[in-house]
Amino acid sequence: SQQGEEDPQALSIQEGENATMNCSYKTSINNLQWYRQNSGRGLVHLILIRSNEREKHSGRLRVTLDTSKKSSSLLITASRAADTASYFCATWEGAQKLVFGQGTRLTINP
Amino acid sequence: GAGVSQTPSNKVTEKGKYVELRCDPISGHTALYWYRQSLGQGPEFLIYFQGTGAADDSGLPNDRFFAVRPEGSVSTLKIQRTERGDSAVYLCASSLIGSTGELFFGEGSRLTVL
Repeated sequence: SQQGEEDPQALSIQEGENATMNCSYKTSINNLQWYRQNSGRGLVHLILIRSNEREKHSGRLRVTLDTSKKSSSLLITASRAADTASYFCATWEGAQKLVFGQGTRLTINP
Repeated sequence: GAGVSQTPSNKVTEKGKYVELRCDPISGHTALYWYRQSLGQGPEFLIYFQGTGAADDSGLPNDRFFAVRPEGSVSTLKIQRTERGDSAVYLCASSLIGSTGELFFGEGSRLTVL
């Protein structure tokens, strides 16, 4: 089952622009996480936001969480070519299963 | 080791053959997860180990899939009578026990069934 759904499925922007990806989920959560996956590689954890937090920053990343709308957004500012990857949101279903969305494929054009 | 290690990185097999995929988690991580990822899709949960036992195997698609973790460290995902639809990247992840925090992923094993 896919708990989170990302939007858009694909995003292509110019280097230096900001990239925004959105995630919607279905059930109540303790936290929501974002992961990055470079082509042909494993997933790398980017940031975790707890259910009692509304916004969190990490370097060029900004994550927001709206539990009333069951949605989150990931903003990457001043994008770089190296940010080209797929980005996934994930939430815990119980305490034993981290469920991922379908992902957003981000392409940064030089 | 420093990270989650998966072997082989690539496996090509013929339909009907038996396949084993290995995962060596981060030292001290007692929780271990297997996921399957098809092209263009997100990771799909297969099974979760807490120590040596499978605490949740609800994601295993059918009885051709089986996973073990006999000593609570290395895990092996076993696929019998492989089918072309089993072709995917199989990802392993580990974490501290009881944590609902982040998972640490390996690079995956790409399985191709001809």
